[in-house]
Amino acid sequence: AQTVTQSQPEMSVQEAETVTLSCTYDTSESDYYLFWYKQPPSRQMILVIRQEAYKQQNATENRFSVNFQKAAKSFSLKISDSQLGDAAMYFCAYTNTGNQFYFGTGTSLTVIP
Amino acid sequence: DAGVIQSPRHEVTEMGQEVTLRCKPISGHNSLFWYRQTMMRGLELLIYFNNNVPIDDSGMPEDRFSAKMPNASFSTLKIQPSEPRDSAVYFCASRGDRTGTDTQYFGPGTRLTVL
Repeated sequence: AQTVTQSQPEMSVQEAETVTLSCTYDTSESDYYLFWYKQPPSRQMILVIRQEAYKQQNATENRFSVNFQKAAKSFSLKISDSQLGDAAMYFCAYTNTGNQFYFGTGTSLTVIP
Repeated sequence: DAGVIQSPRHEVTEMGQEVTLRCKPISGHNSLFWYRQTMMRGLELLIYFNNNVPIDDSGMPEDRFSAKMPNASFSTLKIQPSEPRDSAVYFCASRGDRTGTDTQYFGPGTRLTVL
């Protein structure tokens, strides 16, 4: 069965610094997709970044980038130049069909001014 | 483009009452998902539709829960009768059908409190 594990319940980062959130997953599939979603206090689930497993190149979206290690089944999120607005709960998610999503338990990120 | 729209944003009701949550997916998306989020269980997929047809409702907790999608632009999740343990945030998400559209886009959620 597919599982997604986020081992850091809470993280903090100084404003303008860089932080990395960890995610590991378990699957027997070779083709799948990985995501990071952000959930601020407003509760809205916002897509941050998406990675296709068949692509070796790590996805980037402005200040957000991932380190995708397929063999290790690791998918970490790096936030550069952290801003106060980055404070939120971050969820890692996996799917191979686009229908059944498996979410991690989340990492609460605090940004210190 | 308008995102996924959910209503109401907040719902407070008393045990035993019927609750109806509403969702309008992103125009052109053909898959719709209902999730429930609680502190104890995280995000759980309740049911999803493809082309208005329910495909997998194995996550629906009990017969008290029902979902419909009468057309491509509207879906409801109904709880009857509601119980305090149903208190949670309910999300609707939608997904398109073109290549590379494996991404689910979430609505703002409905916070349900059952007293």
